[in-house]
Amino acid sequence: EAGVAQSPRYKIIEKRQSVAFWCNPISGHATLYWYQQILGQGPKLLIQFQNNGVVDDSQLPKDRFSAERLKGVDSTLKIQPAKLEDSAVYLCASSPVGRGRGINEQFFGPGTRLTVL
Amino acid sequence: AQRVTQPEKLLSVFKGAPVELKCNYSYSGSPELFWYVQYSRQRLQLLLRHISRESIKGFTADLNKGETSFHLKKPFAQEEDSAMYYCALLNAGGTSYGKLTFGQGTILTVHP
Repeated sequence: EAGVAQSPRYKIIEKRQSVAFWCNPISGHATLYWYQQILGQGPKLLIQFQNNGVVDDSQLPKDRFSAERLKGVDSTLKIQPAKLEDSAVYLCASSPVGRGRGINEQFFGPGTRLTVL
Repeated sequence: AQRVTQPEKLLSVFKGAPVELKCNYSYSGSPELFWYVQYSRQRLQLLLRHISRESIKGFTADLNKGETSFHLKKPFAQEEDSAMYYCALLNAGGTSYGKLTFGQGTILTVHP
């Protein structure tokens, strides 16, 4: 079974520029998560999708961050414009079940390391 | 609000020594807790979950609701256990079902 794929693996941009990250979850996984992991901290959930609907985006800075999962499969996370404090690893994870149907393991991708200069 | 605290950023032990990585949580409902591990140059992966009551790679973790703790233990540490360990709490209700709240992580180093 192929794992969660993410690209790019590394990205360096200047502040005020835009950047986009892509995630392809494990086939058949209904739930997709984007986490932000700042150096020295644990991952923090930014947004959670079930199929192509948003379940939780309460910690997404919506003035600059956006995410979509149009066909319920791949997802993109965008930052526009980037700030210095956005430097972090962005992790995508997927899980095979949706809301109310049990508790399952989340499978993580390798992450995208973003550096904002 | 749910919270997970791992009080130790770094933990060093010698091979063969016992190891305990501490985790405390705050949650109003019935908690579901996990330990995730990230080995060098690998992705974050599940180590164990409390509902399974399993031992993985010699590690165990017992949920203590009275002390709101979920400490990870291994009686004899091995060099290959060196990694970053995260304790995580699952939101099992409400609008954020499935959301994981992670602790800050503990870097375990096992010396030969």
